Amino acid sequence: QKEVEQNSGPLSVPEGAIASLNCTYSDRGSQSFFWYRQYSGKSPELIMFIYSNGDKEDGRFTAQLNKASQYVSLLIRDSQPSDSATYLCAVNEGGKLIFGQGTELSVKP
Amino acid sequence: EAQVTQNPRYLITVTGKKLTVTCSQNMNHEYMSWYRQDPGLGLRQIYYSMNVEVTDKGDVPEGYKVSRKEKRNFPLILESPSPNQTSLYFCASSSRVRVGIRGTGELFFGEGSRLTVL
Repeated sequence: QKEVEQNSGPLSVPEGAIASLNCTYSDRGSQSFFWYRQYSGKSPELIMFIYSNGDKEDGRFTAQLNKASQYVSLLIRDSQPSDSATYLCAVNEGGKLIFGQGTELSVKP
Repeated sequence: EAQVTQNPRYLITVTGKKLTVTCSQNMNHEYMSWYRQDPGLGLRQIYYSMNVEVTDKGDVPEGYKVSRKEKRNFPLILESPSPNQTSLYFCASSSRVRVGIRGTGELFFGEGSRLTVL
């Protein structure tokens, strides 16, 4: 059973801090990794994707991938209360997007 | 407006009473999928379809059926619902390129259907 694991949280950070969300995956052959954000009562939406080892930055968001250690992380700089949501890590397994259980992030003003 | 439409949005039913949750997309997407979301378990894939007349099992297909007779529609059928199928269900669609190995992985989700089976 291929798995994607996340700490369910909740993760609480003060406004302006860096939030760090982590995800590990079991299939060493996985090549594509994604972060989705889901606000309470809403549908998930894609915020980042990454294929290559290293960092990928998009505004306040940075995705980090380490294939040797089989983990992918999401950093949110200058966290805002509007970033409070559940963040879902996903891995592409040949057309099947396997999701982790999600990490709930709370940014306190 | 590009969208994925699910119906019903909310449903309370009883054990054993067949029901269908419809899903329709207007983006000409080849790929469609059903997920269920439960607290602490995240999104789990039930079935997916890469194109018309092609369907495959996801991780939790037991108790569900699907069909893909038209590109735009992908209904989820619960032949004999049971209380353990009480959940929030999401339909999603995308292009084959987006869900390919080097695709963006962007799924377009419906608003969700909250199903309660008593």
